Amino acid sequence: QVQLVESGGGVVRPGTSLRLSCEASGFAFSDYAMNWVRRTPGKSPEWLALISPDGSTQHYAESLQGRVTVSRDNSRNFLYLQLTNVRPDDTALYHCTRAGHLYWGRGTQVTVSS
Amino acid sequence: DVVLTQSPPSLSVTPGQPASITCTSSQSLVYSDGNIYFNWYQERPGQSPRRLIYKVSERDSGVPDRFSASGSGTDFTLKISRVEAEDVGLYYCMQGSHWPPAFGQGTRVEIK
Repeated sequence: QVQLVESGGGVVRPGTSLRLSCEASGFAFSDYAMNWVRRTPGKSPEWLALISPDGSTQHYAESLQGRVTVSRDNSRNFLYLQLTNVRPDDTALYHCTRAGHLYWGRGTQVTVSS
Repeated sequence: DVVLTQSPPSLSVTPGQPASITCTSSQSLVYSDGNIYFNWYQERPGQSPRRLIYKVSERDSGVPDRFSASGSGTDFTLKISRVEAEDVGLYYCMQGSHWPPAFGQGTRVEIK
């Protein structure tokens, strides 16, 4: 069955960078575009980034432009999200989702705090 | 960017009674291929969002048939014919027809 498992979250200091990973299994990873979405209590989910199946095309939320990079390693079935110069309002549960947003991982919690 | 406005913000429903949530888009969600990429999600406490409905009215596998949805253009509705205790949670609409994808603010469903 389709599984998406995020990792890499934790407590990070403002101004630093983080790299999140998402390991995919149960489907042909290289056939699907992938997304990152984050959730914060009391707010609606926020789409962050999409990467094409071969990794050649990326789209980003305007609110994160310049601070975010999405990438993938199709040989290892991994998706990544790098976020630089993190701020307290980046505190959220970060999910990877498969194209169409049917399948979601359980998420990895990022807390930005000094 | 597309803005999705959900109403009501919250619902308190007696078990066995119907419930209805609406979502209005700031612009038509008809994509260039003629489809409308519009989903409904259920978020139970402590769980990841679960997609219930895709392309306006198509129920995902395993979703009870008490959930139905309809809509066109800019106005969309999710209906629960007979609310059950397990339906408690947050419900979101989401559009994927236009960049960037966007979610509504959510509707909280509670049981009376």
